[in-house]
Amino acid sequence: QVQLVESGGGVVQPGRSLRLSCAASGFSFSSHAMHWVRQAPGKGLEWVAVIWYDGRNKYYAESVKGRFTISRDSSRNTLYLQMNSLRGEDTAVYYCARDNKVTTSWTDYWGQGTLVSVSS
Amino acid sequence: SYALIQPPSVSVSPGQTASITCSGDKLGNKYASWYQQKPGHSPVLVVYQDTKRPSGVPERFSGSNSGNTATLTISGTQGVDEADYYCQSWDINTVLFGGGTKLTVL
Repeated sequence: QVQLVESGGGVVQPGRSLRLSCAASGFSFSSHAMHWVRQAPGKGLEWVAVIWYDGRNKYYAESVKGRFTISRDSSRNTLYLQMNSLRGEDTAVYYCARDNKVTTSWTDYWGQGTLVSVSS
Repeated sequence: SYALIQPPSVSVSPGQTASITCSGDKLGNKYASWYQQKPGHSPVLVVYQDTKRPSGVPERFSGSNSGNTATLTISGTQGVDEADYYCQSWDINTVLFGGGTKLTVL
């Protein structure tokens, strides 16, 4: 069965960096685009970034462009999100989600999420 | 910028039909998906490509999309359907979620 397990969240000071990981199993990782989606406390879902199946195409929400970098390692079946210059408004649960296709479409499986708290 | 607009809340009596709308400019020219999220849980896909239902999702969930509005319909709503619902659409280089609708079954 499809499993997505996020890790790497925690408390970090504003301006610092954090790297999230998402370990994927139960499917052919290199055959799907992958997303990061976040949810601030008590708020709705906000798409963060997508990386296509081969890692060549990456797209970001305007709110994180230039600060966050999405990447994938198919040899490890792992998705990453490098977050730099963190701000208070980046505080959220971060979910990784599998896209149904090799490029951008709908997400069909989600992980359990990892909480990132940006605070001094 | 492009936005998907959902009503913040919808209320329905058990056994009745609930309709949750998602509005966006020419949304009918794109595909819409819908997600259910219960408190403390991750979102779950309930409708994709406007009208299709993933395996395991009850038949009472259905979707439509035309013009500027996509609609999620829950027929014979049950108490277990009480949750937040989010619509989603995408272009090649961006994904957008609606603001979410809290469905109350009372």
